[in-house]
Amino acid sequence: DTEVTQTPKHLVMGMTNKKSLKCEQHMGHRAMYWYKQKAKKPPELMFVYSYEKLSINESVPSRFSPECPNSSLLNLHLHALQPEDSALYLCASSRSEKMNTEAFFGQGTRLTVV
Amino acid sequence: AQKVTQAQTEISVVEKEDVTLDCVYETRDTTYYLFWYKQPPSGELVFLIRRNSFDEQNEISGRYSWNFQKSTSSFNFTITASQVVDSAVYFCALVMPYTGKLIFGQGTTLQVKP
Repeated sequence: DTEVTQTPKHLVMGMTNKKSLKCEQHMGHRAMYWYKQKAKKPPELMFVYSYEKLSINESVPSRFSPECPNSSLLNLHLHALQPEDSALYLCASSRSEKMNTEAFFGQGTRLTVV
Repeated sequence: AQKVTQAQTEISVVEKEDVTLDCVYETRDTTYYLFWYKQPPSGELVFLIRRNSFDEQNEISGRYSWNFQKSTSSFNFTITASQVVDSAVYFCALVMPYTGKLIFGQGTTLQVKP
């Protein structure tokens, strides 16, 4: 099973809403990632979790708040977003960030902020 | 600094043609890892191949083949006898060692027409 599952697939939210994106993997991977992808651009890293601890934050605004409740789950809490935050949010996992192995990606959540 | 360049923004071919997607990378590391991912319209990034800097052997997987040349810092991807299902955005990427952070090229959109 090389599946990373993200929910929801689509999300429309207002600028005052609070919502959460969820990501799950059952491959025993110990590194999990959030990437943001704008239309016609490559994905850009937001956060890396290693063994359930935040190891990289790419200077992401605090309106994005990641959480890793356990080794299989990764959440991204959203609050007071701006329309420019509309994008595809991709979750990924890999065996370990130290091993330089391939990452497996979910299908993403297409977020629209209105 | 690490950088990946995919100079071809869009390529359009007719089914059964062969097509090569170019990738040039920059890194100061002596040990590094390169990847190719496919992103169909559904959004998920599908892992295709991982190559480390010590292994310059070319690889073939069905209709896909990869040519890694350290002397020119290139890692090109060829699809033989292209099919409509190959239509997607293809990303070449370099991983920042021991961080899991993928540095993506800008992507090449491949359109295969019937």
